[in-house]
Amino acid sequence: DVKVTQSSRYLVKRTGEKVFLECVQDMDHENMFWYRQDPGLGLRLIYFSYDVKMKEKGDIPEGYSVSREKKERFSLILESASTNQTSMYLCASTGQGTRGDEQYFGPGTRLTVT
Amino acid sequence: KQEVTQIPAALSVPEGENLVLNCSFTDSAIYNLQWFRQDPGKGLTSLLLIQSSQREQTSGRLNASLDKSSGRSTLYIAASQPGDSATYLCAVTPSSGSARQLTFGSGTQLTVLP
Repeated sequence: DVKVTQSSRYLVKRTGEKVFLECVQDMDHENMFWYRQDPGLGLRLIYFSYDVKMKEKGDIPEGYSVSREKKERFSLILESASTNQTSMYLCASTGQGTRGDEQYFGPGTRLTVT
Repeated sequence: KQEVTQIPAALSVPEGENLVLNCSFTDSAIYNLQWFRQDPGKGLTSLLLIQSSQREQTSGRLNASLDKSSGRSTLYIAASQPGDSATYLCAVTPSSGSARQLTFGSGTQLTVLP
């Protein structure tokens, strides 16, 4: 089974802190994604990566950056956390090919910024 | 820009009923459509993936259909059980682009009453 893991289930940070959220997948997938999920707004794509060191902005990249130094790991960085970044963050990955197009999600990180 | 709509937003049924969840999308140029399940506070679990060339997919008590030309998909759940209570999301992948990023609907929250 494909496994996507995220570094923390719950995280509490203070305004202005630098925050790192890490995601690791074990299926050698090329593509990795970071979403945030908010009530009433659904899932929104922040950034994605289709290869090591490659990244593309999603729909809401402002206030975030990403890093993909290794194929299995995709990090989301909040340079200076703000209260409006309190949310559920979900990481996902997908490979190539018919079956590989299925997108697999991690358990999520609920981030609270105070 | 692709928009995905799910109706109804919430549904409550007695145990044992068969039910249908609806998903519609505005741009028929899709690569595939995926149905997910999300339990409260958790990540997304992939249920079914339908390629654009397919009409339906089945897994156990679940059957998903796709009518690409009309921009619609349905998820049929047979003999519903309380354990089926969750939020169900559909998402489409565009036929262009390399990373296969998804556009999500806002979900249908299903409650199956014992």
